[in-house]
Amino acid sequence: DAGVIQSPRHEVTEMGQEVTLRCKPISGHNSLFWYRQTMMRGLELLIYFNNNVPIDDSGMPEDRFSAKMPNASFSTLKIQPSEPRDSAVYFCASTPGASGEQYFGPGTRLTVT
Amino acid sequence: GEDVEQSLFLSVREGDSSVINCTYTDSSSTYLYWYKQEPGAGLQLLTYIFSNMDMKQDQRLTVLLNKKDKHLSLRIADTQTGDSAIYFCAVRLSGGYQKVTFGIGTKLQVIP
Repeated sequence: DAGVIQSPRHEVTEMGQEVTLRCKPISGHNSLFWYRQTMMRGLELLIYFNNNVPIDDSGMPEDRFSAKMPNASFSTLKIQPSEPRDSAVYFCASTPGASGEQYFGPGTRLTVT
Repeated sequence: GEDVEQSLFLSVREGDSSVINCTYTDSSSTYLYWYKQEPGAGLQLLTYIFSNMDMKQDQRLTVLLNKKDKHLSLRIADTQTGDSAIYFCAVRLSGGYQKVTFGIGTKLQVIP
């Protein structure tokens, strides 16, 4: 299995631009998570889906952030408009079932200038 | 909500044992996990323990769970320089979905 796939691996953009991060979970996994990691705040859960349905988006920092999961094999995290304080590494993770262990993708390093 | 606490830093000499500690607050925790993150990479699941277990051993890794004190530890035997990384403790509560609460991470430095 290829594991969780994220794209792009690196993104540099200017303030005000729209950014879309993509994730392909491991086939057969029923839950998907988006995290943000920074030195200051550590690993933060932004949103998670179960069977493609958003369950908890209380970690989404503000309305500029949105996430979708149109099918079991694809999810996006969009930031519009982006700001320099959004610079972070964004991880996607998926989990197969009852024991809840999460498998992380390699992350997308976002830099907003 | 659940709080998971870890110390920020641990330094050990190569060949010694490392013990990374974690405390959590919610006694209804079901699964408890240890993840490893190397520089520039995502988190990698090392091992996990179910709450009805006291100990789990996997090669050089030993996980100890003290439910009374809500304390979880990860022992790495014969620590190698390749073990240098950040180690995250994570806890999942009973019921609901798969949400897991992560600690801040402990940076392990192995001195040759």
